[in-house]
Amino acid sequence: KQEVTQIPAALSVPEGENLVLNCSFTDSAIYNLQWFRQDPGKGLTSLLLIQSSQREQTSGRLNASLDKSSGRSTLYIAASQPGDSATYLCAVQGAQKLVFGQGTRLTINP
Amino acid sequence: SAVISQKPSRDICQRGTSLTIQCQVDSQVTMMFWYRQQPGQSLTLIATANQGSEATYESGFVIDKFPISRPNLTFSTLTVSNMSPEDSSIYLCSVLLAGLHEQYFGPGTRLTVT
Repeated sequence: KQEVTQIPAALSVPEGENLVLNCSFTDSAIYNLQWFRQDPGKGLTSLLLIQSSQREQTSGRLNASLDKSSGRSTLYIAASQPGDSATYLCAVQGAQKLVFGQGTRLTINP
Repeated sequence: SAVISQKPSRDICQRGTSLTIQCQVDSQVTMMFWYRQQPGQSLTLIATANQGSEATYESGFVIDKFPISRPNLTFSTLTVSNMSPEDSSIYLCSVLLAGLHEQYFGPGTRLTVT
């Protein structure tokens, strides 16, 4: 059974800092890994999708890496802004099922 | 990408009643899913909504409690039956796009049961 773990559970940093969110998974037989953002009480916004054959994906200030063999992914956020404050969810796609981590609640302090 | 809408966006319901949540997608998709997010928790898959056949439920979820309809490739409904306060959650619809296996989510329905 796939299990996804995200560390840390919560993170608070001052504006402008670069930061890294971590995600690990137990079963390397995945199609892809997605990073989502969720604002309080809202739905999910897809940030980045990394196919199992890829090592990383970039979108603006976001960079996600994937090491399938070790079961790890990181989400790097450069030059953080208060608007980046949200919960970030990592999810791995199996045959058809998406398994989520518990999320990292990020707060960027002005 | 896919644009997904859900109705209602939120509701407050009394114990013992039922609520039907609608999910509409702007294009035809094969795979549609329903998730639940309990307060402070991550997302848990309830079921896969299959067009033309019965939904496929995950362990811990049953059709009598969460009946699902999927009349066509762009629309699905989830009913939360005989509600109790423990059903208070955000319910999200999602679709899986072929090829990249990328999932897109609707804005969610926030349900509070009193």
